[in-house]
Amino acid sequence: QKEVEQDPGPLSVPEGAIVSLNCTYSNSAFQYFMWYRQYSRKGPELLMYTYSSGNKEDGRFTAQVDKSSKYISLFIRDSQPSDSATYLCAMSANQGAQKLVFGQGTRLTINP
Amino acid sequence: EAGVAQSPRYKIIEKRQSVAFWCNPISGHATLYWYQQILGQGPKLLIQFQNNGVVDDSQLPKDRFSAERLKGVDSTLKIQPAKLEDSAVYLCASAPAGAYGYTFGSGTRLTVV
Repeated sequence: QKEVEQDPGPLSVPEGAIVSLNCTYSNSAFQYFMWYRQYSRKGPELLMYTYSSGNKEDGRFTAQVDKSSKYISLFIRDSQPSDSATYLCAMSANQGAQKLVFGQGTRLTINP
Repeated sequence: EAGVAQSPRYKIIEKRQSVAFWCNPISGHATLYWYQQILGQGPKLLIQFQNNGVVDDSQLPKDRFSAERLKGVDSTLKIQPAKLEDSAVYLCASAPAGAYGYTFGSGTRLTVV
């Protein structure tokens, strides 16, 4: 069993839709949760960061963590064609610049 | 702020040949990482440096891969000899000491034929 599981998609939705991306994990030591966005032929860029359980909102993006279920989500409201990318969840057991364990990524396309 | 620089962007080699990748992290970032991203998968950590010391190289195939970070700044990752399964994007990332999240470079896309 992989430490982090992420539905690879691909996921295709119309512009303006609400998008839900999810990851499950098996390592209960994970406390720091991140979402990265990766455009084609680019490196991943940090989108959202959450510590422990709870919600965090940043503009059109909301990250949720449910440690009891070992489940994290990223919601994108009012999706735009520019949101088309691969979204990677990542997790760490320790604070600071520590090793991240990534999911395999979900490829998302927003259709105009 | 300049980003993480990597070169070359693309490399095609035959199996059993050697190859080297270079990374220049963001100025002042103490921590440097090399990740391997195989097509359709998430990045996997190969090696982590703190300044010029190795923190974690548990997933580095040491029989063929080597990495160094001279003077705690630039880093090189070498593969010798390369195998077909080494075809991947090699991502370098850096972070300030104690920070969460990294800044990634655009990567080097390696194709082994």
